[in-house]
Amino acid sequence: AQSVTQLDSQVPVFEEAPVELRCNYSSSVSVYLFWYVQYPNQGLQLLLKYLSGSTLVKGINGFEAEFNKSQTSFHLRKPSVHISDTAEYFCAVSDRTGANNLFFGTGTRLTVIP
Amino acid sequence: NAGVTQTPKFQVLKTGQSMTLQCAQDMNHEYMSWYRQDPGMGLRLIHYSVGAGITDQGEVPNGYNVSRSTTEDFPLRLLSAAPSQTSVYFCATYGTGVGEQYFGPGTRLTVT
Repeated sequence: AQSVTQLDSQVPVFEEAPVELRCNYSSSVSVYLFWYVQYPNQGLQLLLKYLSGSTLVKGINGFEAEFNKSQTSFHLRKPSVHISDTAEYFCAVSDRTGANNLFFGTGTRLTVIP
Repeated sequence: NAGVTQTPKFQVLKTGQSMTLQCAQDMNHEYMSWYRQDPGMGLRLIHYSVGAGITDQGEVPNGYNVSRSTTEDFPLRLLSAAPSQTSVYFCATYGTGVGEQYFGPGTRLTVT
């Protein structure tokens, strides 16, 4: 079975400051890794994904994440945040089976302070 | 292309009532899933389908039924609603080789 831990439930950060949202996972098999963003009262939008290859993955809106197999982590980073980045961020893993079912972390609410 | 659509957007039920949440996709994806989102718990898988006529249980299936008679539709049925089923429900689809799931806009359900 897979599990995902997002260590911070809330992260406040000032506008134009860097941010890191932490994600650790546990799995007995190889996984795919994802970060999704949810803006208020909206559905989930994919930010980025790691399937294979380079461990540094770049996504939309200037976000990037690095897969670290030895530390079983997939932290999300952005060098300079904007007010519009205020949202909830979910880390998720799938077990690479046919259905690609996702196991989600509990989410991190990022609040960008003007 | 509409992608993944869900109806209704909002629903209020009384305890014991039944209803069906609709999900439709026009992406010709084989796989469809239902998740529920609760505060502080992220999203959890309820049921999923790997193709027409094939369904399976996820992490929290109790109180829900599904069927998949066509590739496009994957309805979620609440047989006898309970307050514990108050949640936001998301439908998702996945196509082989795509590497990601596509989510619908969600249905917010309140059971009183």
